[in-house]
Amino acid sequence: EAGVAQSPRYKIIEKRQSVAFWCNPISGHATLYWYQQILGQGPKLLIQFQNNGVVDDSQLPKDRFSAERLKGVDSTLKIQPAKLEDSAVYLCASSLETGGYTFGSGTRLTVV
Amino acid sequence: AQSVTQLDSQVPVFEEAPVELRCNYSSSVSVYLFWYVQYPNQGLQLLLKYLSGSTLVKGINGFEAEFNKSQTSFHLRKPSVHISDTAEYFCAVSDRDDYKLSFGAGTTVTVRA
Repeated sequence: EAGVAQSPRYKIIEKRQSVAFWCNPISGHATLYWYQQILGQGPKLLIQFQNNGVVDDSQLPKDRFSAERLKGVDSTLKIQPAKLEDSAVYLCASSLETGGYTFGSGTRLTVV
Repeated sequence: AQSVTQLDSQVPVFEEAPVELRCNYSSSVSVYLFWYVQYPNQGLQLLLKYLSGSTLVKGINGFEAEFNKSQTSFHLRKPSVHISDTAEYFCAVSDRDDYKLSFGAGTTVTVRA
């Protein structure tokens, strides 16, 4: 079974630039999550999708972050404009049912 | 949302010695409990999970954890560690009705020969 695919693996941008991350979940997984993991901290949920609808985006900084999941499969997370404090690893996960989370390898973003 | 406290930020341990990583969570309502491991520059890998049933849960790589409802704890143990167990370990909790994971800050385990 293929895992959760994320790209790119690494990204370095200057502050105020924009960036986008892509995630392809495990086939058939209806639920998709984006987490932000700042160095030295545990992952924090940014947004949860169920199919192509948003279930929870209460922790997403909507003034600069946006996410979509077209057709209930792939998802993109965008930051515009980026700030220094956005430097983190962005993890995508998908699940079929509770306890069945699978995480991708993440995208490491450095904002300089 | 749940709050998760991992009581040790760093745990140095010698090879073949036992290790225990402590985790406490905030709520006494019904929860699901998880331990994940993260190796350098990799994603999170599930070690074990507690959904229901026996409070002693066995996972991969010789790890086990015990759910203690009265103490709201889910401590992770391994009787004999290897160099390859050097990694970051995260405890996570979700409510049974929303499945969203709340993570602790992590415990860095460094195994020395």
